[in-house]
Amino acid sequence: DAGVIQSPRHEVTEMGQEVTLRCKPISGHNSLFWYRQTMMRGLELLIYFNNNVPIDDSGMPEDRFSAKMPNASFSTLKIQPSEPRDSAVYFCASSLFPAGLNTEAFFGQGTRLTVV
Amino acid sequence: GNSVTQMEGPVTLSEEAFLTINCTYTATGYPSLFWYVQYPGEGLQLLLKATKADDKGSNKGFEATYRKETTSFHLEKGSVQVSDSAVYFCALRKNNDMRFGAGTRLTVKP
Repeated sequence: DAGVIQSPRHEVTEMGQEVTLRCKPISGHNSLFWYRQTMMRGLELLIYFNNNVPIDDSGMPEDRFSAKMPNASFSTLKIQPSEPRDSAVYFCASSLFPAGLNTEAFFGQGTRLTVV
Repeated sequence: GNSVTQMEGPVTLSEEAFLTINCTYTATGYPSLFWYVQYPGEGLQLLLKATKADDKGSNKGFEATYRKETTSFHLEKGSVQVSDSAVYFCALRKNNDMRFGAGTRLTVKP
């Protein structure tokens, strides 16, 4: 398996524009996580899905952020409108989650977003 | 809620020095505990894990022991190498809630 695949690797956009980040989890994994990494805040959990259903989105910073998982092999994180303070590296991670087991998450390479 | 606190960095060591990075956690019950490593420009990679109290995770010369009584999972390595320079993250997972510490940057000098 190619692992978790994120696209694009780098994105530079102007303030006010819509940005869409994409993630393809590892085949067979049924949990998907979106994280944001900045120097100031470290690694923050934004949202996670189980079986394509959003379980906890309390980490989403504000209404400008939205995430979807239309099927088991694809998820998007959208920022509309984008602001300079959204500049960060965004990571997607996936894992298996049968009930009762705790397993590690596998991370993608990240998308470095710069909003100018 | 669940949370992880780890030692502030950065940490700078000479090659072959002993490494300890402290990590403590807050969670109900028995979470699984992890150490991840992030090399420049890359995503996080699992380094080691422990899923129950007194378990010891180990990999590439790194070790960490799950201590329920002190709610700790400190990372240790007896002799670091230049190639160990990276950012290290402590993490816990309870059900489907996975939380990370702030990360500790380690630089190993020849």
